[in-house]
Amino acid sequence: DGGITQSPKYLFRKEGQNVTLSCEQNLNHDAMYWYRQDPGQGLRLIYYSQIVNDFQKGDIAEGYSVSREKKESFPLTVTSAQKNPTAFYLCASSILFRGGYGYTFGSGTRLTVV
Amino acid sequence: AQSVTQLGSHVSVSEGALVLLRCNYSSSVPPYLFWYVQYPNQGLQLLLKYTTGATLVKGINGFEAEFKKSETSFHLTKPSAHMSDAAEYFCAVNEGSNYKLTFGKGTLLTVNP
Repeated sequence: DGGITQSPKYLFRKEGQNVTLSCEQNLNHDAMYWYRQDPGQGLRLIYYSQIVNDFQKGDIAEGYSVSREKKESFPLTVTSAQKNPTAFYLCASSILFRGGYGYTFGSGTRLTVV
Repeated sequence: AQSVTQLGSHVSVSEGALVLLRCNYSSSVPPYLFWYVQYPNQGLQLLLKYTTGATLVKGINGFEAEFKKSETSFHLTKPSAHMSDAAEYFCAVNEGSNYKLTFGKGTLLTVNP
């Protein structure tokens, strides 16, 4: 079955370390997104990509970086510049220019700073 | 510009009672509207969506929502709550060919025995 796979499910980071969260989809979707979720704050967009080798900043891109070298993959790196990285991270994908389609989400990665 | 307001960040109901989660939207063109559900430590799952046609939309797990253009609303209902309905619910909107969704802040539903 097609879907989005996020790994790992749980991730622990030491202060000052960079960590990379994986997101892979086999839905042949063009657009991919990264969201951060904190209690009571809903979903906040970090980065999104419409096409390979192109991506745009969302509302809270500082301290994060992404790449889109393959259509299927959109990894997120949480850098040491992100001062409060403990959160639940969600990856999603969608078809371009199909407004009524909506998003398909992965199962999330919970990142904790130790 | 599109926007979504979910009234009530937390709703508590008794098992067997009516569930009503409120969502109002703002859109300059006819919108596409969605409800997603999120169980603890999981991703979001599509519950139902309105695109065109019938304004009463039925979704999974007995939920339904009605698109009311005059009230710019898309409230989610379920006649009888079950313990397994406890989760966070998100309303979302997009317009026309704008494939990007705008999400509400979410409503946490608690179901009491």
